[in-house]
Amino acid sequence: GAVVSQHPSWVICKSGTSVKIECRSLDFQATTMFWYRQFPKQSLMLMATSNEGSKATYEQGVEKDKFLINHASLTLSTLTVTSAHPEDSSFYICSATPGLQETQYFGPGTRLLVL
Amino acid sequence: LAKTTQPISMDSYEGQEVNITCSHNNIATNDYITWYQQFPSQGPRFIIQGYKTKVTNEVASLFIPADRKSSTLSLPRVSLSDTAVYYCLVVAAGNKLTFGGGTRVLVKP
Repeated sequence: GAVVSQHPSWVICKSGTSVKIECRSLDFQATTMFWYRQFPKQSLMLMATSNEGSKATYEQGVEKDKFLINHASLTLSTLTVTSAHPEDSSFYICSATPGLQETQYFGPGTRLLVL
Repeated sequence: LAKTTQPISMDSYEGQEVNITCSHNNIATNDYITWYQQFPSQGPRFIIQGYKTKVTNEVASLFIPADRKSSTLSLPRVSLSDTAVYYCLVVAAGNKLTFGGGTRVLVKP
């Protein structure tokens, strides 16, 4: 089956620093990748949609200058949390899909803790 | 995007069949239905998807009536490892997924 990886699986950082999370589709080319965040005991919340080679589309209320998304190739998207603060601590999950109306496959998630 | 409604939680016992019904009254003509399973601190895992009637794979069945305003995920003979949150989603053009609250299924011994 289709596999999506994320790196790192967890990260602890100091307030004010930036953190980059990678999302890779290992055995298929992903025309579209999505980034979600999930707080404890809550559902996933879509943050942004990224298409290879174009700017990401952010959901309402998500700061694009805070959460930088780059989708440089058909197998890699990165999410950079800039100037992280404790309220950014969350579980970040990416998903990838080979094309429109195709199944989305999720990564294992990245746990971010900002001290 | 079609909104989905599903029960908050369900309890079952090992070996029983679990049926989770999801309502999606304003599903559009080209939308399809997909179900995911999520364990704590893991990304959602794809279970099954369908457009109408019945779809079956090695882990579950999905029943969709003719009006497509609801769907039922059927998990046959559940085990303790099936304890998880199950999400019903309607997928529209552009592949955007809107997650609802999901259904927490607890399988008891």
